Amino acid sequence: KQEVTQIPAALSVPEGENLVLNCSFTDSAIYNLQWFRQDPGKGLTSLLLIQSSQREQTSGRLNASLDKSSGRSTLYIAASQPGDSATYLCAVSPWAQKLVFGQGTRLTINP
Amino acid sequence: EAGVAQSPRYKIIEKRQSVAFWCNPISGHATLYWYQQILGQGPKLLIQFQNNGVVDDSQLPKDRFSAERLKGVDSTLKIQPAKLEDSAVYLCASSLELGPTDTQYFGPGTRLTVL
Repeated sequence: KQEVTQIPAALSVPEGENLVLNCSFTDSAIYNLQWFRQDPGKGLTSLLLIQSSQREQTSGRLNASLDKSSGRSTLYIAASQPGDSATYLCAVSPWAQKLVFGQGTRLTINP
Repeated sequence: EAGVAQSPRYKIIEKRQSVAFWCNPISGHATLYWYQQILGQGPKLLIQFQNNGVVDDSQLPKDRFSAERLKGVDSTLKIQPAKLEDSAVYLCASSLELGPTDTQYFGPGTRLTVL
């Protein structure tokens, strides 16, 4: 059974810092891995999707990496801003469109 | 384009009562999902539809939860009778198809509190 773990559960950093969020999964047989953002009272928004054959994806200040063999992914946020404050969720797909989520990391960027 | 719509946004009921949630996916999306997100946890898939057929309902507590997607568009999720542990946010999502790169788009969710 696939399990996804995100550490830390919460993170608070000052504005402008670069930061890394971690995600680990137990079964390396995955289709892809996604990082989502969740704002209070709102649904999830997909930030980055990494196919199993890829090593990383970039979008603006965000960079996500994938190491299938070790069961790890990281989300790097450069030059953090208060608007980046949200919960970040990692999800792996054991097969197409089946998502198994981690419990999330609640990120707070302090002005 | 309009996003995934859900109603109601909030619902408070007492245990053993019944409740229903409604979801309208993005127009043209064949696949619809219902997730349960308990506070402090990630979403857990309850049921997945492809058009009006069920693809995966392995984690749906079928003794109390039911869902339907009539005509392959709107969907309703029902809980009867509700238990305290059903308190959660119920998220609906839709995707164009079942392809590995098809993005799931999520609605704002319905927050259910069972007293």
